[in-house]
Amino acid sequence: GAGVSQTPSNKVTEKGKYVELRCDPISGHTALYWYRQSLGQGPEFLIYFQGTGAADDSGLPNDRFFAVRPEGSVSTLKIQRTERGDSAVYLCASSFGQRKYNEQFFGPGTRLTVL
Amino acid sequence: GQQVMQIPQYQHVQEGEDFTTYCNSSTTLSNIQWYKQRPGGHPVFLIQLVKSGEVKKQKRLTFQFGEAKKNSSLHITATQTTDVGTYFCAGSEGYGGSQGNLIFGKGTKLSVKP
Repeated sequence: GAGVSQTPSNKVTEKGKYVELRCDPISGHTALYWYRQSLGQGPEFLIYFQGTGAADDSGLPNDRFFAVRPEGSVSTLKIQRTERGDSAVYLCASSFGQRKYNEQFFGPGTRLTVL
Repeated sequence: GQQVMQIPQYQHVQEGEDFTTYCNSSTTLSNIQWYKQRPGGHPVFLIQLVKSGEVKKQKRLTFQFGEAKKNSSLHITATQTTDVGTYFCAGSEGYGGSQGNLIFGKGTKLSVKP
């Protein structure tokens, strides 16, 4: 089937605004991950879902960031009161969560620009 | 906290030369994964290593996991222009459900001159 999809592909917003980024994982993948990648850096872990629950949210930088996955499939990353430092590519990945070791399949990312 | 260091940051080679990137973790890993990201693209999984001292090969690519499970390397023999991209290692301390917290290195950006 299709790979991981993310919408929008690009998002330009003004400082202080609220944004939502969406991720559609590969069908059947129970694990879903959000990362943030700045230019010249590796992906930075934000949060990991196993099913509907956040199994590890230790990478969220502060309480302006929040993510949900209410039905265990699609996930939304929400950023409140955006700051210029939030500008980055936000990557979503999914995997078969039940296996002991799980390769992650990445989506194309959402490029967020905060003006 | 856990850190994954990767060197070199950049590598420029002539087509046909070999290339190696090295990855070191501050903590013992349960497994290490390697990803390739083409310019403008997203990371694509290459391989996963889980056993101490493990060596895996994919055509011209050789991956190695250190005996102490704290370091890894990727070696490409006779580079081609299609090898261009950034190679990331990513390590995890956990297993199963807690394995999701992958820590990525900063990557090695490979350019190949034809």
